[in-house]
Amino acid sequence: DAKTTQPPSMDCAEGRAANLPCNHSTISGNEYVYWYRQIHSQGPQYIIHGLKNNETNEMASLIITEDRKSSTLILPHATLRDTAVYYCIVKEDEKLTFGTGTRLTIIP
Amino acid sequence: DVKVTQSSRYLVKRTGEKVFLECVQDMDHENMFWYRQDPGLGLRLIYFSYDVKMKEKGDIPEGYSVSREKKERFSLILESASTNQTSMYLCASSGVGEGVVYEQYFGPGTRLTVT
Repeated sequence: DAKTTQPPSMDCAEGRAANLPCNHSTISGNEYVYWYRQIHSQGPQYIIHGLKNNETNEMASLIITEDRKSSTLILPHATLRDTAVYYCIVKEDEKLTFGTGTRLTIIP
Repeated sequence: DVKVTQSSRYLVKRTGEKVFLECVQDMDHENMFWYRQDPGLGLRLIYFSYDVKMKEKGDIPEGYSVSREKKERFSLILESASTNQTSMYLCASSGVGEGVVYEQYFGPGTRLTVT
């Protein structure tokens, strides 16, 4: 059963912030929210993860709602190289369950 | 930087052949994983290993076996390849720590075609 729901595709203009939503209404207290992305013909790449608090690293920011039922990945200044499929995953152990993700296209 | 390498980027095999896909990681990670990726189905976990000689079935283990004789190496074996095993195969590794969940690092993938 899918634990997360993401829109199948999104477009974003180059240089603008890309905001990718994810719903995870059945998330349990011990489950983290992870984001990965997969650029064409490459293996998935870890972006960021969080449990309750908002997180930021050199790649992106992760905003998790207070009830933890949804989150948003923010790429602050999208570039053409950010075109990829983005996966939102909830997990509490070593195993990842990938859905079909959101195909983000950055428009020049 | 963590490096996960896979033995081949592209592989073509015939139906019924025995196929070995090799994966090596250089970060002393305890956990290693094999996934397959198919259009419209996303990534699906085949097997994973949390220690040398230890393995656990993932979501789709049928038709596959694995071997982990050394910590850095995890092999996926197709005993008798079939056309429905044509797919992209991805290997990953991750560390462990009490109370800490580590991210997985993926290799570049092996595109296997069974004819």
